[in-house]
Amino acid sequence: DAGVIQSPRHEVTEMGQEVTLRCKPISGHNSLFWYRQTMMRGLELLIYFNNNVPIDDSGMPEDRFSAKMPNASFSTLKIQPSEPRDSAVYFCASSLEPSSYEQYFGPGTRLTVT
Amino acid sequence: AQSVTQLDSHVSVSEGTPVLLRCNYSSSYSPSLFWYVQHPNKGLQLLLKYTSAATLVKGINGFEAEFKKSETSFHLTKPSAHMSDAAEYFCVVSEGYSSASKIIFGSGTRLSIRP
Repeated sequence: DAGVIQSPRHEVTEMGQEVTLRCKPISGHNSLFWYRQTMMRGLELLIYFNNNVPIDDSGMPEDRFSAKMPNASFSTLKIQPSEPRDSAVYFCASSLEPSSYEQYFGPGTRLTVT
Repeated sequence: AQSVTQLDSHVSVSEGTPVLLRCNYSSSYSPSLFWYVQHPNKGLQLLLKYTSAATLVKGINGFEAEFKKSETSFHLTKPSAHMSDAAEYFCVVSEGYSSASKIIFGSGTRLSIRP
């Protein structure tokens, strides 16, 4: 298995633009997680899906952020409009349910908003 | 409510000496506990996990951790540090087994290895 796949690996965009980050979880995994990592705030869980349904989105910073999981093999995290403070590394992870199983992390997308 | 505290933000040891990274947790139920490692510019990788089986858990790369319920601790240890162990380490607590369980990451401990 190729592991969790994220694209793009790097994204540089201007403030106000829409950004879409993509994630393909490991085949057969039922849970998918989006995280954000910055030096200031560390690793933050943004949203968590189980069987394609959002379970906990309490970590989503504000309405500019949205996430979807249209099927078991694909998820997107969208930021519209983007702001410089959104600059971070965004990780996607997947796991077998329930949550006592380990999470497998993707390589991350480094987002820079200028 | 559950929480996890990594007591040291940075630990520096000499190569060949023991490593101790401290983690304390609070949980209302029987927790699952994990240690993840993150090397520079990489994603997180599982080192080891505790899920109510043996209290001493062995992981990859010679690391192990002991679940101590009386002390609410899950410290990570390694007898002899290697230069390749330099990385960020995260302690994670997960409560319960339902799909709605909360998963809490610690703030991380950066491990530096001196030659």
